[in-house]
Amino acid sequence: DSGVTQTPKHLITATGQRVTLRCSPRSGDLSVYWYQQSLDQGLQFLIQYYNGEERAKGNILERFSAQQFPDLHSELNLSSLELGDSALYFCASSPRYSWNEQFFGPGTRLTVL
Amino acid sequence: SQQGEEDPQALSIQEGENATMNCSYKTSINNLQWYRQNSGRGLVHLILIRSNEREKHSGRLRVTLDTSKKSSSLLITASRAADTASYFCATANAGGTSYGKLTFGQGTILTVHP
Repeated sequence: DSGVTQTPKHLITATGQRVTLRCSPRSGDLSVYWYQQSLDQGLQFLIQYYNGEERAKGNILERFSAQQFPDLHSELNLSSLELGDSALYFCASSPRYSWNEQFFGPGTRLTVL
Repeated sequence: SQQGEEDPQALSIQEGENATMNCSYKTSINNLQWYRQNSGRGLVHLILIRSNEREKHSGRLRVTLDTSKKSSSLLITASRAADTASYFCATANAGGTSYGKLTFGQGTILTVHP
């Protein structure tokens, strides 16, 4: 158990819908990262937040957005869902003294039908 | 886009044998890390090697880094059935504002037969 929690574990929804994935980082970690893992694209970095502010952005679609709240939990919002958005979405957090070692949550498996 | 290319894509060995996985990358890096993922679950950080290091050990793991060839290898010695998992290399790019962004390879699926 990494100490990073993600909810829900599974999510099944239809095309065109909007969902919110939630992540709570390890106690004391200020950075939160979101990654998407799919069969065709592999593991891709989406976005990073540090203490509430966006720090780095990867291949995140405009239909996706994220934020980190004052209590440091983060949410990833996915809208106008398409079949290709079906994937495992991971959240990770890292200690304030190091960007390098990231602790991954168990992931949310999103299925878009 | 994937920075790392991993080789082999799949590896099947017997318990007790050594497993070697290779990773190549394209840009200058700050460090390279290896992660393990059990089927469909979260990733577990195994080991980090910095760009100025050439070799690092952790238990049964040995990682090498050759920055001139932009490649790394992960050796698992005396493998166990519990080592069965996917192994990913991930690079943190040097410079810029990449902060903690990790770029992952496609992974190697390791199967260790009892």
